[in-house]
Amino acid sequence: EAEVAQSPRYKITEKSQAVAFWCDPISGHATLYWYRQILGQGPELLVQFQDESVVDDSQLPKDRFSAERLKGVDSTLKIQPAELGDSAMYLCASSGGRVGYQETQYFGPGTRLLVL
Amino acid sequence: GESVGLHLPTLSVQEGDNSIINCAYSNSASDYFIWYKQESGKGPQFIIDIRSNMDKRQGQRVTVLLNKTVKHLSLQIAATQPGDSAVYFCAENAGTGNQFYFGTGTSLTVIP
Repeated sequence: EAEVAQSPRYKITEKSQAVAFWCDPISGHATLYWYRQILGQGPELLVQFQDESVVDDSQLPKDRFSAERLKGVDSTLKIQPAELGDSAMYLCASSGGRVGYQETQYFGPGTRLLVL
Repeated sequence: GESVGLHLPTLSVQEGDNSIINCAYSNSASDYFIWYKQESGKGPQFIIDIRSNMDKRQGQRVTVLLNKTVKHLSLQIAATQPGDSAVYFCAENAGTGNQFYFGTGTSLTVIP
C-alpha cells in the first residue's frame, strides 16, 4: 500500500538552530500539505502545494519557516531559527489533487520536533 | 474560519461495546467530511469519509452519520476493541481547494 514518507521521525535541536524536514508524498499525488500539530490539538495547515506551486501559505510564519517542492514531488520544510514554541509534531499529507475534486488526504507518520 | 469541535474530549468504553464519537461543525458550506484515527506518536489514519449528499456511510465496523440540519457528524464503532484506543478527529472541507479544518479530537479508551 502506498504511503506518505517523512524523515526524520524525531528531531531534537537547540533554539536558534536550523532544522529541516523531508516529505515524499504518495506517488502521483499532486497536492502536498504540511501541518503542525501541538499535543492535544488537531493539525493546523502551514502550507499547501499544488504540484510545485504554493496555493496557500497564509498560516506559515514566513519570518522563520520556509517550504519548497521544487520538482513537484518531494518537499522540504525548514525552520530557521527554531524557537521553543516550535516544539510540535510536523505532519505531511498528500491527495490526488485533481482540479475540481475534493479528495482524501493521507498522512505520513510525522516528525516530532523538540526545541531545547 | 471554520470551527470544528467535539462534544466529548474523552470517552471510555468496555471492550465489545459500541462507541459513538460526536463532532459539531459550524460552516454550513462544508460538504465533505473525514474521520481520522491517530495513535500515540503516529500520523492520522484515514477511517471513513462522507459527502454532504449522503446521511450515512458504512465501513468495516464503522458507520458515519451526517446531520446537515444541525451540522453534526458522528462516528460509530461496533464491537470496540482495545486496538481502537486512539484519538479520533473529524475534519471538514468546504471547497475544492481541499483545505481541511480539524477539531481538537476525542480520546477513546477501550477497557478490556
